[in-house]
Order: sequence, then structure tokens, then C-alpha cells
Amino acid sequence: EAGVAQSPRYKIIEKRQSVAFWCNPISGHATLYWYQQILGQGPKLLIQFQNNGVVDDSQLPKDRFSAERLKGVDSTLKIQPAKLEDSAVYLCASSPGTRGLGTGELFFGEGSRLTVL
Amino acid sequence: AQSVTQLGSHVSVSEGALVLLRCNYSSSVPPYLFWYVQYPNQGLQLLLKYTSAATLVKGINGFEAEFKKSETSFHLTKPSAHMSDAAEYFCAVSGVTGGGNKLTFGTGTQLKVEL
Repeated sequence: EAGVAQSPRYKIIEKRQSVAFWCNPISGHATLYWYQQILGQGPKLLIQFQNNGVVDDSQLPKDRFSAERLKGVDSTLKIQPAKLEDSAVYLCASSPGTRGLGTGELFFGEGSRLTVL
Repeated sequence: AQSVTQLGSHVSVSEGALVLLRCNYSSSVPPYLFWYVQYPNQGLQLLLKYTSAATLVKGINGFEAEFKKSETSFHLTKPSAHMSDAAEYFCAVSGVTGGGNKLTFGTGTQLKVEL
């Protein structure tokens, strides 16, 4: 079974430029997550999709970050314009999407490392 | 709201020694708890999970964790450390978002294994 695919693995941009990350979850997984992991910190949830609908985007900086999951499969996370503090690893994860208290695990991709200069 | 606190951002042990990584949780409902491991330049991989069945949970690579409600703890242990265990370990708690699982992570513990 193929895992969660992410691209690009590495990206270096200058501040105020834009960047986009792509994620393809495990086939059949209804729920998709984007996490931001700043060096030395634990992953922080940015946005959660259930199929193609947003479940939680309370911690997404909406003035510069946007995400979509058209057709309920793959997803794109965009940052425009980027700031220095956006330097982080952006992790995509998916799960089958059990409702109620979470009992299942999340399956993570290898992440996209962003450096903003 | 649910949260986890990992005590000690860096832990160093000798090869063959006991590994103990500490995690305490805060939850208003019975929690589901997880330990994930992250090797350099890789994503997170599930080590083990507690989902209200047995309080002693066994995971991959010889790791185990015990859920102690009275202490609100879920510490990760391994009897004998191996060099390949060097990695970052994250404790996480699962919460309700209305659909699907939502994990809240701790700040992580970097495990160093020395000869």
C-alpha cells in the first residue's frame, strides 16, 4: 500500500514570495491534515479536511495561508506571501476518518521542508 | 481542550540501558494517547497507542507504555536501548473535532544513545 506522498521535499524561497505544497493521501482515507513543525517544536495542526470539506482551520493564518482539497483526494497548501517565521517542515497526514473520539493513527508523509530567507 | 507535556527535551542513555521518556496528559474526557517516532528528515511513525483497552501497551521495536490515570501519565519505556533508537519521540493525545481524528502533540524528546 502506497503511503502519503508529498512534494517538494525541500524548498528555499525569499520572504514575500509564494510557495505551494502538494499532498496525496493514502487511497481511501477520508481525512487529511496539514501540520506545521517548526524546528525544536512538536507538529501543530494547521487544517483538517474531511473529504473535501474543512473540519478545523482554527490555527491556519488565513491572511497568508490557504489550503484546498478538491475532489476529496489530494490537497495543496499555499503560502503567499511567505515570512521568515514560516520556515518549517510541513507535514501532511491522512486517516480513515473515524468519527467521534479518535482511535486510529495518522499516517504521515515525509514532509516538505521550507526555508524562507 | 486536551494537551500533553513531555518532560525533558533531550535524554541521553548508554546502549543497553533503560529508556524512559516521560509524558503527562491533560484531558476532560477519557483520552486516546499515542507515541510517535521521527527519524531525521522523515515523517512521524506510530510506535504505539492507548485506546482504553489494556493499560500496558506494547509497540514496535521493543517499546511499551503504561497508561496511569491516577498520575495522568503515559511514559514510554524500553528495557535496553539500541543505537538505532536515536530519534525524536513525540507524545500525542487524540481529541474530537466532529469528524476524524485530531492529534495534539507534545514538544518532543530527542533521544541520544551513546556507546
